[in-house]
Amino acid sequence: KAGVTQTPRYLIKTRGQQVTLSCSPISGHRSVSWYQQTPGQGLQFLFEYFSETQRNKGNFPGRFSGRQFSNSRSEMNVSTLELGDSALYLCASSSGQVKSEQYFGPGTRLTVT
Amino acid sequence: KQEVTQIPAALSVPEGENLVLNCSFTDSAIYNLQWFRQDPGKGLTSLLLIQSSQREQTSGRLNASLDKSSGRSTLYIAASQPGDSATYLCALDSGGGADGLTFGKGTHLIIQP
Repeated sequence: KAGVTQTPRYLIKTRGQQVTLSCSPISGHRSVSWYQQTPGQGLQFLFEYFSETQRNKGNFPGRFSGRQFSNSRSEMNVSTLELGDSALYLCASSSGQVKSEQYFGPGTRLTVT
Repeated sequence: KQEVTQIPAALSVPEGENLVLNCSFTDSAIYNLQWFRQDPGKGLTSLLLIQSSQREQTSGRLNASLDKSSGRSTLYIAASQPGDSATYLCALDSGGGADGLTFGKGTHLIIQP
């Protein structure tokens, strides 16, 4: 069974631009969660989607948004990029049921210059 | 708000030693706890999942325990090998999956050949 895939793996953007990251979950999984990882803050929860609905959102500004498609693939968008948005963005896939295990993708390394 | 602390932040030991990594949390109302490893610049690999009703889980040389009453989990690694060198993260699910995982900052482990 294929694991979680994320594209692109690396991105370099300029301040003020916007970026879209993609995540394909494990086949059959209906939940996708997004996380930001930085050296200072560690791993922080951005939002979670289940069956195309956002169920919860972490403490991030509205510049961070996402969506999920009917095939469970998810995209995350960051508008008006800031230097502080430079991070490793990870997505996690699960069945979406309570107590289910989370499986992470390899991440997208975003650098904002 | 759930807070997760991992001690020590870094650990260096000779190959072959048995070692224990610690994770403490403030809110015992959890669904499950997961231990992950992360290699530099990579995504997270799930090592063990302990449900809230369980006390421990084992996989090969790894054993994880959970004591909700004291707010603690430990990851025991037997007969350490250089390939075990990585950052180990513990993460708690306090919201049934929809609220995302709450992560500790990790323990950076180096196994000296």
